[in-house]
Amino acid sequence: SQTIHQWPATLVQPVGSPLSLECTVEGTSNPNLYWYRQAAGRGLQLLFYSVGIGQISSEVPQNLSASRPQDRQFILSSKKLLLSDSGFYLCAWSRVDRRNTEAFFGQGTRLTVV
Amino acid sequence: DQQVKQNSPSLSVQEGRISILNCDYTNSMFDYFLWYKKYPAEGPTFLISISSIKDKNEDGRFTVFLNKSAKHLSLHIVPSQPGDSAVYFCAARGSGTYKYIFGTGTRLKVLA
Repeated sequence: SQTIHQWPATLVQPVGSPLSLECTVEGTSNPNLYWYRQAAGRGLQLLFYSVGIGQISSEVPQNLSASRPQDRQFILSSKKLLLSDSGFYLCAWSRVDRRNTEAFFGQGTRLTVV
Repeated sequence: DQQVKQNSPSLSVQEGRISILNCDYTNSMFDYFLWYKKYPAEGPTFLISISSIKDKNEDGRFTVFLNKSAKHLSLHIVPSQPGDSAVYFCAARGSGTYKYIFGTGTRLKVLA
């Protein structure tokens, strides 16, 4: 069966510090990968998605970047965090071999920038 | 530009009654629609979906209805249970894309 791992679960970082959130998927090959953010009282905003190694699409211009160094690894980064980067970050994956399929989410990372 | 909208931020329903959550979309290229349930500090979990070639899909207590002409979908939960209390998100995926676009969520509270 497929599983998705996302860490850390919580993170408190000072303004101006770097960020690295990691997500890995097990039990599947060549998944589509996604990073979402849920800001306080808001919906799920798609930040980045990837359909293959090194292929990253950015949905929202911002202070963040994403990378996919391996097939089942997706990393969200920032060089200098802003207060507005606080939120709940979610990694997700979906199958590529079926058109109508759901996305599966990790447990999320609560990021607080202070 | 919010392509998927959930205009009711919250909903309270008595246990045993029907819960109806609504969602509107603007992009006519969306062809696959999903509902997710989310508890605090957890990732969303998939509930039910519907393709644009259908107008209804049922799975146990959950039924999703799609009205393409109105660009509207709804989730019916019958009977509602206290464990159904959570935030519900609708999502849509467009033809030829891999992106899932989510609404802002509706917080459902089922009263015992």
